[in-house]
Amino acid sequence: GAVVSQHPSRVICKSGTSVKIECRSLDFQATTMFWYRQFPKQSLMLMATSNEGSKATYEQGVEKDKFLINHASLTLSTLTVTSAHPEDSSFYICSASLLAGVDEQFFGPGTRLTVL
Amino acid sequence: GQNIDQPTEMTATEGAIVQINCTYQTSGFNGLFWYQQHAGEAPTFLSYNVLDGLEEKGRFSSFLSRSKGYSYLLLKELQMKDSASYLCAVRDPDQAGTALIFGKGTTLSVSS
Repeated sequence: GAVVSQHPSRVICKSGTSVKIECRSLDFQATTMFWYRQFPKQSLMLMATSNEGSKATYEQGVEKDKFLINHASLTLSTLTVTSAHPEDSSFYICSASLLAGVDEQFFGPGTRLTVL
Repeated sequence: GQNIDQPTEMTATEGAIVQINCTYQTSGFNGLFWYQQHAGEAPTFLSYNVLDGLEEKGRFSSFLSRSKGYSYLLLKELQMKDSASYLCAVRDPDQAGTALIFGKGTTLSVSS
């Protein structure tokens, strides 16, 4: 099956700093990548949809200036949490689709962000 | 609005059969997924239903009734390693791209 990687797997940062999370599709080209956030014992909540070469589409309530998404190539999308605060501490997961409408999304292993 | 409901917790014993139900109300429908998620890990794909009926894959089966907005995941011959959270997710074409709407997950505990 298709493999999606995320880096880093864990990050601890100070409040006010910025953190970049990378999501890569290793053996396929992903036209669309998705960024989810999951708080403890909660479901995955979609943050944004990222399409290569175009601006990301953000879900309602997600600040696009705080969560910067760059989908520079068909195999790489990055999420930058700017001026992170403790309430941004969460599990961030990306997923990728081979083609729009295909059956399956492939999830990355997730990034645990802790903001002190 | 979008709503996906599934039980919060379930318990079962090794070797048993367990059925995890999921009901959904979404503005559109283009497939229902079941994922397994162990604590601190990303979800892994279990099954996909887009037409009514039962899909069987080894010890796991998934059923869909679109008219009832209902699905279930059936796990047979339970093993300790099946202890995990099981997420029901719907793909709604009215949402951006092919993003999935997730339920809150059902935490299954399998005991010996």
